[in-house]
Amino acid sequence: EAGVVQSPRYKIIEKKQPVAFWCNPISGHNTLYWYLQNLGQGPELLIRYENEEAVDDSQLPKDRFSAERLKGVDSTLKIQPAELGDSAVYLCASSLNKGSEQFFGPGTRLTVL
Amino acid sequence: GENVEQHPSTLSVQEGDSAVIKCTYSDSASNYFPWYKQELGKRPQLIIDIRSNVGEKKDQRIAVTLNKTAKHFSLHITETQPEDSAVYFCAASSPSGGSYIPTFGRGTSLIVHP
Repeated sequence: EAGVVQSPRYKIIEKKQPVAFWCNPISGHNTLYWYLQNLGQGPELLIRYENEEAVDDSQLPKDRFSAERLKGVDSTLKIQPAELGDSAVYLCASSLNKGSEQFFGPGTRLTVL
Repeated sequence: GENVEQHPSTLSVQEGDSAVIKCTYSDSASNYFPWYKQELGKRPQLIIDIRSNVGEKKDQRIAVTLNKTAKHFSLHITETQPEDSAVYFCAASSPSGGSYIPTFGRGTSLIVHP
């Protein structure tokens, strides 16, 4: 069984540029999560999807961050415009449903110059 | 919301020794407590989890204990090996509002010296 897939693995951009991350969850997993992980800290939830519905997005900075999961499978997280403080690892995770074990993707390491 | 404190931030042991990592949580409604291992540059991977209806769970060299009254849970690794070196994260998940969103601790960097 393939795990959670994320791309790109690394991204370097200049501040004020847009950037997008893509996630393909494990097949059949209804719940998808986007996390932000700063160096030396645990993952912090940005947004959770139940199928195609976004729930628990209170930590998502909506002035610059957006996310979508149009068909309830793949998801995209976008930042526009990026700021220096957005440099971090963006992790995607999926689970069969809420409350069950989460499986993480390898993450996208974003560097904003 | 939930608040999870994790200690120590760094733990250095000799191969063969035991390692204990402790976490406390604030939301008494939390009922699911997973532990993740994250090797450098890799994804977090679940190593063991416990639900609030159980006080202890063991899987080979790894065990987790939960004290609901005191709101703390611990990870125990026995007979540590160099390949156990990694960052370990605890998390607490509360069903409040139907969310089941885990709140993670800040992590413990475990170093096992050969």
